[in-house]
Amino acid sequence: EVQLVESGGGLVQPGGSLRLSCAASGFSFSSYAMNWVRQAPGKGLEWLAYVGVGSSVLYYADSVKGRFTISRDDAKNSVYLQMNSLTAEDTAMYYCVRDNADCSTGTCYLIRFDAWGQGTPVTVSS
Amino acid sequence: EIVLTQSPGTLSLSPGERATLSCRASQSVSSSYLVWYQQKIGQTPRLLIYGASNRATGIPDRFSGSGSGTDFTLTISRLEPEDFAVYYCQQYVTSPRYTFGQGTRLEIK
Repeated sequence: EVQLVESGGGLVQPGGSLRLSCAASGFSFSSYAMNWVRQAPGKGLEWLAYVGVGSSVLYYADSVKGRFTISRDDAKNSVYLQMNSLTAEDTAMYYCVRDNADCSTGTCYLIRFDAWGQGTPVTVSS
Repeated sequence: EIVLTQSPGTLSLSPGERATLSCRASQSVSSSYLVWYQQKIGQTPRLLIYGASNRATGIPDRFSGSGSGTDFTLTISRLEPEDFAVYYCQQYVTSPRYTFGQGTRLEIK
């Protein structure tokens, strides 16, 4: 069974930092790209960051570029999100999400987020 | 930057009725990259449809997706009580990489 378990969330003061972790199991972690997605209270989904297979490529949403850093450790089947310079607008549930696609032709099609963790809450407040 | 606009914002229907949810892109996008998710209250989002029309594993056939270019539709043929939830569309874009629509809330009338 595919499982993604986030940890590291909590209460942090404005301007502070937090490092989120996501432990993956039940699949060949090193073969998949991974993402972080967040959802502010009562709001919609916001994609934040992507790390490719082998950390080959990294992508970030404009809202977090320069403040957040995504990374992965395939030996530990884990993906991380280092969050710096946090503001109240970063208060949200943070989800670790598996990226799946059909890449048999060399170009990837049918990209989808097919496994989600339960999320870890982050509250930025003084 | 491609923007996905979902409509209506809220849809009120009764069990047994047909639901039609819309996702419109600000410019033409590949149907290969258009995805729908369902999120029930207090739960994690769940993959429903990918590639605009492919049902994910375990998704009942009352759910179907269609569309191309800028207009995409999620249809639920006969609503079951467990279908009342929020639905999001998502698109892979060149930059920054992914974008979500704002969601459609499907509520019981």
